[in-house]
Amino acid sequence: QVQLVESGGGVVQPGRSLRLSCAVSGFTLSSFGMHWVRQAPGKGMEWLAFISYDGKKKLSADSVRGRFTVSRDNRKDTLYLEINSLRPEDTAVYYCAKDRGWMELIDYWGQGTLVTVSS
Amino acid sequence: QSVLTQPPSASGTPGQRVTISCSGSSSNIGSNYVYWYQHLPGMAPKLLIYRQTLRPSGVPDRFSGSKSGTSASLAISGLRTEDEADYYCAAWDDSLSSVVFGGGTKVTVL
Repeated sequence: QVQLVESGGGVVQPGRSLRLSCAVSGFTLSSFGMHWVRQAPGKGMEWLAFISYDGKKKLSADSVRGRFTVSRDNRKDTLYLEINSLRPEDTAVYYCAKDRGWMELIDYWGQGTLVTVSS
Repeated sequence: QSVLTQPPSASGTPGQRVTISCSGSSSNIGSNYVYWYQHLPGMAPKLLIYRQTLRPSGVPDRFSGSKSGTSASLAISGLRTEDEADYYCAAWDDSLSSVVFGGGTKVTVL
């Protein structure tokens, strides 16, 4: 079955950088676009970024563009999210998610990894 | 403030029908597919409805979706205690070139 497992979260000081990983199984990563979404404590879902199946197309939310970078390694079945200049407001659970296909949205999500930005 | 508007809460007794609304605009719901997700705390969100009315395999037919113009709805019939969760609508937004979510609706089974 489809599985997405995020890792790399933890407590990080403001201004530092962090790279989150998402290991996938149960489907062919190279055939699907992927998303990152986050949920701050007590808040709703916020879409962050999308990367196409081949990594050639990337989209990101205005709120994180320039600080967040999505990438993928299809040979390793892994998705990444690089976060720079971390701010306290970046504290959230970060989810990776699989795209259903062209013109579609998310059909599978991971369980998330918690990032806490604090000094 | 979310681009898609949902009521923050909804409730019902076991067996009742609960409906959750999701209001958007011509650049999102009005021109793209609507998806609905169920999220229990600490768990991975789960796809309930895609393309506004379709259910993935394994999702009970107690869950149904609809769309009219720039609004969509999720209905839960025969409400059960295990339906207590947060529910989110989502759609692609052509103007923002991004996925947009509703603020989420917490469903309580009384």
